[in-house]
Order: sequence, then structure tokens, then C-alpha cells
Amino acid sequence: DAGVTQSPTHLIKTRGQHVTLRCSPISGHKSVSWYQQVLGQGPQFIFQYYEKEERGRGNFPDRFSARQFPNYSSELNVNALLLGDSALYLCASSFWNVEGNTIYFGEGSWLTVV
Amino acid sequence: DAKTTQPNSMESNEEEPVHLPCNHSTISGTDYIHWYRQLPSQGPEYVIHGLTSNVNNRMASLAIAEDRKSSTLILHRATLRDAAVYYCIRVERGGSEKLVFGKGTKLTVNP
Repeated sequence: DAGVTQSPTHLIKTRGQHVTLRCSPISGHKSVSWYQQVLGQGPQFIFQYYEKEERGRGNFPDRFSARQFPNYSSELNVNALLLGDSALYLCASSFWNVEGNTIYFGEGSWLTVV
Repeated sequence: DAKTTQPNSMESNEEEPVHLPCNHSTISGTDYIHWYRQLPSQGPEYVIHGLTSNVNNRMASLAIAEDRKSSTLILHRATLRDAAVYYCIRVERGGSEKLVFGKGTKLTVNP
């Protein structure tokens, strides 16, 4: 079975531009989360969506937005890019079970803002 | 945010066991302990999780202290492929799936 897939894997954008990152969860997973990881730090939570509804939001500005589609795939949008938005953006998906959630990450999208 | 405390780095030799400690002194009775690891240039990989009892899977073992204020991830025979940053994370049972990552422990495995 395919794992969490993200696209694109690498991209370069200019300050002020907009970017859309895409994520397909593992089949059967209805929850998708997004994380930002800057160099040398652990991932930081941005959003969680479950059944197309936002379930959680991290401490990120309104320039960051996301949505989840009926097939449970998701998009992360970032407007008015800043140099500091350069990071690895990770998507994670999960299913719920009585043992607690097991969360699976994709390989990430590397964003460079110049 | 729920935080855990881990050593910044640890070193091991290949084929030897590795014990990675984690302190979570403010853990609540319903929080799970999850471990993830991240290899260079890859997304985090799930390793193991537990609530109260010790847990084993094909990758590792998780030993949880009786008072649940600490836990230890055990790699029984370290290989070079186990070199990674290991994160210990508290996860609220049935709650938000927000994972709060610290800086983790960077494990170096010497041949």
C-alpha cells in the first residue's frame, strides 16, 4: 500500500508569491495534519483536518491555510511568502483506534523562498 | 504545550543495545507516549507507542516507568540505519492529533 504522498517534493518561490502543497493520505485514513520543520528544529504543528473539518490549528499566521477534500486529500496554502517560510513541510495521516492514534508522515515538500 | 525532556545526543556501537531515555513528569493518566524517528532528509517515522505497559514490536521495545513519568526506548541491536533523531512525544488519548516535537535525541551509531 502507498504511504502518505506529497507533492511537489522540492520547489523554489520568490518572496511575496503564493504556494500550494498537496498531500494524499494513506488509504482509509480520514485525518490529515500539516507540520513545518525548519532546519535544526523538530516539526511544528500547523493544522489538523478530520472529515474535512479543521480540528486543530497551530501558532501560524493567517497567511497559512488548508483544506481537506471529500477523498481526504489535503492542500496547504501559504500566501505572501517570506524568507522565513523556507522549510520542510510535512503531511501526516492517521486512523483512529482504541490503542491511540498511529500517525504516518510523508517525505515532505522542501520549500525554498528566495 | 505538553513537553518531554530528552538528551540532545547519544552514541552507540553497532550491534549493541541502545537505551534512549525520556522524561515526561507532567503526563496525565490518559496520555500516550509515542516515539518517532527521523532520518536525514526524510519525514518522521513511527517507531512505537504505549500507555502503561511495556510494549514490543519489530523495531523496538518501550519500557514505561510505573509512575509513567519517564520511559525508555530500547533498540536491541543498533545498526547503522538506526542513526537518526529520536523524538519522544506525549499524545492525548482521543484528543487532537497535535504532536508537540522537542529537539529529540540525535543517535550516532559507530561501526
